[in-house]
Amino acid sequence: EDQVTQSPEALRLQEGESSSLNCSYTVSGLRGLFWYRQDPGKGPEFLFTLYSAGEEKEKERLKATLTKKESFLHITAPKPEDSATYLCAVQAHGSRLTFGEGTQLTVNP
Amino acid sequence: NAGVTQTPKFQVLKTGQSMTLQCAQDMNHNSMYWYRQDPGMGLRLIYYSASEGTTDKGEVPNGYNVSRLNKREFSLRLESAAPSQTSVYFCASTPPGRDEQFFGPGTRLTVL
Repeated sequence: EDQVTQSPEALRLQEGESSSLNCSYTVSGLRGLFWYRQDPGKGPEFLFTLYSAGEEKEKERLKATLTKKESFLHITAPKPEDSATYLCAVQAHGSRLTFGEGTQLTVNP
Repeated sequence: NAGVTQTPKFQVLKTGQSMTLQCAQDMNHNSMYWYRQDPGMGLRLIYYSASEGTTDKGEVPNGYNVSRLNKREFSLRLESAAPSQTSVYFCASTPPGRDEQFFGPGTRLTVL
């Protein structure tokens, strides 16, 4: 059974204080790992797909990396508008997405 | 291009009532999905449709039925609502040849 564990559950940062969110996964044959951002009361918004260990993707202040066991979402010099819940999901070959419970990020001005 | 749309946004039902949640996408996507999101449980797949005319069960299908009316529309029906079905329901779709899913804004359902 595919499993995704995200840590920490919640993270509070000061504006400009860089940090990383972790997504540990167990999957039989990884097809892809996905990061989403979810604002309160809204649907998840797609950020990145990573397919193989060593792959990295960047978008503004966010950078996602992938190893064979985990993925990190690095947030550099965050701003208050980066506050959201960040979801990680994995997909095995021939299977559907399995989501983690998310990390709730709060960036204080 | 409205993306993935869902109606209604909010709904309150009494136990035993039925209702249909509507989902539509205007992006010519083939695959469509229904999820529910509950605190401490993450997003869980209820049903999905790989293409028009096909549907398959996901992780938590009991108590639900779906219809892929055409390529654009994928509806979720609760025949006899139960309090355990109180949740936020999301519809999603996937572009042809891609893996990422694009989500609608959600329907917040309360069953009393």
